[in-house]
Amino acid sequence: DTEVTQTPKHLVMGMTNKKSLKCEQHMGHRAMYWYKQKAKKPPELMFVYSYEKLSINESVPSRFSPECPNSSLLNLHLHALQPEDSALYLCASSQGPTSGANVLTFGAGSRLTVL
Amino acid sequence: SQQGEEDPQALSIQEGENATMNCSYKTSINNLQWYRQNSGRGLVHLILIRSNEREKHSGRLRVTLDTSKKSSSLLITASRAADTASYFCATENTPLVFGKGTRLSVIA
Repeated sequence: DTEVTQTPKHLVMGMTNKKSLKCEQHMGHRAMYWYKQKAKKPPELMFVYSYEKLSINESVPSRFSPECPNSSLLNLHLHALQPEDSALYLCASSQGPTSGANVLTFGAGSRLTVL
Repeated sequence: SQQGEEDPQALSIQEGENATMNCSYKTSINNLQWYRQNSGRGLVHLILIRSNEREKHSGRLRVTLDTSKKSSSLLITASRAADTASYFCATENTPLVFGKGTRLSVIA
């Protein structure tokens, strides 16, 4: 299995809703990432988990809450989002910090719309 | 910031022509990678070039790296309509930081 699977593909939520984005990989990768991408912009790093521990938080607002239940799963919990949080959310994984090179495998993304 | 800067921002060519995209960056790096993104989809890794390499090939792709100028180029030869996508360079110390991207349109 060489894929990163993200669900849902599309999500519409109100500003008072609580929802979650899910990401799964079975490549044995030990690092997992959340990126946010606005239209015609590059992906912006949000969080990095390494060996199931949060290693990087790029000053992301607390309305985004990541969770890594095990080495194959990564969640992004969403609460009280703003319309400007509407974006494509990309999950990625890589072998990990000891691999020598950080080649990322991306999922297809979850398109989030906040009303 | 280590963010790369791609040039041009947008490129439109005819099928069969070659496409060249450039990336400049600011700090020393361990390696540089290129990724492709089809509209609204995830990114796909194309090629990695290490800081001690000058040129690398993969199929129709040729990547060069000039660490003295802090720049890299991606050449796609004999382009096809299916090559239409955004192309990003990514510089790595840790973690990966993506450049602003070049939007390539290949017209059949």
